[in-house]
Amino acid sequence: QSALTQPPSASGSPGQSVTISCTGTSSDVGGYNYVSWYQQHPGKAPKLMIYEVSKRPSGVPDRFSGSKSGNTASLTVSGLQAEDEADYYCGSYAGSNVVFGGGTKLTVL
Amino acid sequence: EVQLVESGGGLVQPGGSLRLSCAVSGFTFSDFRMSWVRQAPGKGLEWVANIKQDGSEKSYVDSVKGRFTISRDNAKDSLYLQMNSLRAEDTAVYYCGRGASTVGYWGQGTLVTVSS
Repeated sequence: QSALTQPPSASGSPGQSVTISCTGTSSDVGGYNYVSWYQQHPGKAPKLMIYEVSKRPSGVPDRFSGSKSGNTASLTVSGLQAEDEADYYCGSYAGSNVVFGGGTKLTVL
Repeated sequence: EVQLVESGGGLVQPGGSLRLSCAVSGFTFSDFRMSWVRQAPGKGLEWVANIKQDGSEKSYVDSVKGRFTISRDNAKDSLYLQMNSLRAEDTAVYYCGRGASTVGYWGQGTLVTVSS
């Protein structure tokens, strides 16, 4: 049950695109198409942004997209906006368990 | 509107017990697996446990096995987490969530502080 690996920080200017990676193993990210991404603003509960690798829940802007290659999943935020500044966590099914990444703080410059 | 409301958090001494509750509304509770996820102060998310729709299957993170018990009452639309033998490292905001492999909706969280 080791945590998934995310970069601690990422940044971009308004309008730019940023990609956040999430690296696991064949027992979690690489073994299942159940990777999710969550956005968390300070003092707030997490919010689901991407599920099953690349699907967007209703109401999430299409500026947010997800993908996976092997044991690494990625979240791309296009057309960065000020309100995108937040912490982002990946999560993966790991065979009856769930494992999260350590989180990435996204800063909009 | 989907709502999840946790309660039961507070200050407890090491070795003590607490029972968290999560009352849900806005969806058919018995149709969904449910989860508990925690977040230590200034730290990331940590999955704690999840439970199948009928309560027949439960899974736990290794660090809480034998100490925490997840349960549900589908007649009361409620999820529970019984926490025994609490340790300082259990200090966190505890969130209940709808779903297991994907947590689609989250409560606002309840703070558990384990300290003497």
